[in-house]
Formats: sequence, C-alpha cells, structure tokens
Amino acid sequence: SQQGEEDPQALSIQEGENATMNCSYKTSINNLQWYRQNSGRGLVHLILIRSNEREKHSGRLRVTLDTSKKSSSLLITASRAADTASYFCATRSGGYNKLIFGAGTRLAVHP
Amino acid sequence: KAGVTQTPRYLIKTRGQQVTLSCSPISGHRSVSWYQQTPGQGLQFLFEYFSETQRNKGNFPGRFSGRQFSNSRSEMNVSTLELGDSALYLCASSLVSTGGSYEQYFGPGTRLTVT
Repeated sequence: SQQGEEDPQALSIQEGENATMNCSYKTSINNLQWYRQNSGRGLVHLILIRSNEREKHSGRLRVTLDTSKKSSSLLITASRAADTASYFCATRSGGYNKLIFGAGTRLAVHP
Repeated sequence: KAGVTQTPRYLIKTRGQQVTLSCSPISGHRSVSWYQQTPGQGLQFLFEYFSETQRNKGNFPGRFSGRQFSNSRSEMNVSTLELGDSALYLCASSLVSTGGSYEQYFGPGTRLTVT
C-alpha cells in the first residue's frame, strides 16, 4: 500500500522554468526522502529531510516538510532537459528501513 | 565507493519456474531492502535484511523469499512464477537498520519478465 500521493501526476515545463512537486503522506514519519528515476531504471537518491527539519537545499533542489499537514514539496529551479524523469517521495516510519513510496510525478522538461 | 549492484539486469522466465536475484550493497552497508515496481502497484516493499536476519516484511505471498549472507550480499527468490510477478525488482542498501536517518541507495534493478 502506498503512503500517499504525489501531485501533480505529470508536469510539463520548458527549460529554465521551475518545477514544483508535492507529496502527501498519512502517518507520522522519521524522515522523508526524494528519489529520481529515469525510464524504469534504478532510483537515484536526491535528498533526505528529517521530521524535525522544515527546509533543506541541495544544489538546484529545495525540499520543504510540513509535518502538521503531512506534506512535502520538491522544487527544482532552472530546470534542464536532463531533469526529465519520474520523481518519488518516500517516507520512513518506525525503526526499520521500510520505505513507503508515493505514486510519483512524471516531469518532462522541453528544450 | 562502488554503488549497489544487481544481477542479472534482465531476465525472462516461464510461468511456474523459479528465479533468484542477487544484490551486492555498498561496501560497509549492512542493511539490504528489496522492492517491487509495477505500473499498477508502483513501488512496494518486499523485505529488509540486516546482519543476515530478516527485519521486516511487506505484504507479499510466501513465494517471495530472501536471505542475506555474512558479507551483506543478499538474494531474493521467487518460486512458482506468475505472470503478475513481471516487474522491476530493486535492491537498496543503507548503513544501519534501526534508528537514525540514513539514506537508502538503490541499485539499477533487475527487470523480470514472466511469459
């Protein structure tokens, strides 16, 4: 079963624009991680935000976490065609390494 | 460090057969988790191994099993394959299993097709 949903399911933008993806989850979490997947390949870890953090940056990525609303957002600034991929949020609850994934957002960045 | 490696990358099997997939975690990582990805169900947790012990299991039938060796390498086995087992199987490794906030790093996956 999936923890929550990403919104939107698909996003199409032009190079240079910003892309924002949202993720909602259902239960309390230890941390939330964002992953990128290119065309059915493996998942690439982008960023991890802990439950006691509200915002985190990594290069062109900015992640926010609102535990009161059980939601997170991923912002990719100045997008490039190479950012075209599916993006997933995954939450970790409890003491083990079980990640629960959302359905993902398919991002298409057009040159 | 080398990343997570999975073998084989592609596999075609016939319904009723069994299959074994292999995962080598990042050096020093002791936790290995397995996930199944299908278009219909998305990414679903199969099980996690830590220090050769299964620590957590997802909601999959007993046909799905796994094990971990003393060098942290892990294998998963699917017996009596069904068409619905066709999927991308992903392995992830992490430094620790309990507590902490450690990233999980995924391998490239094994694409299993059951005909």
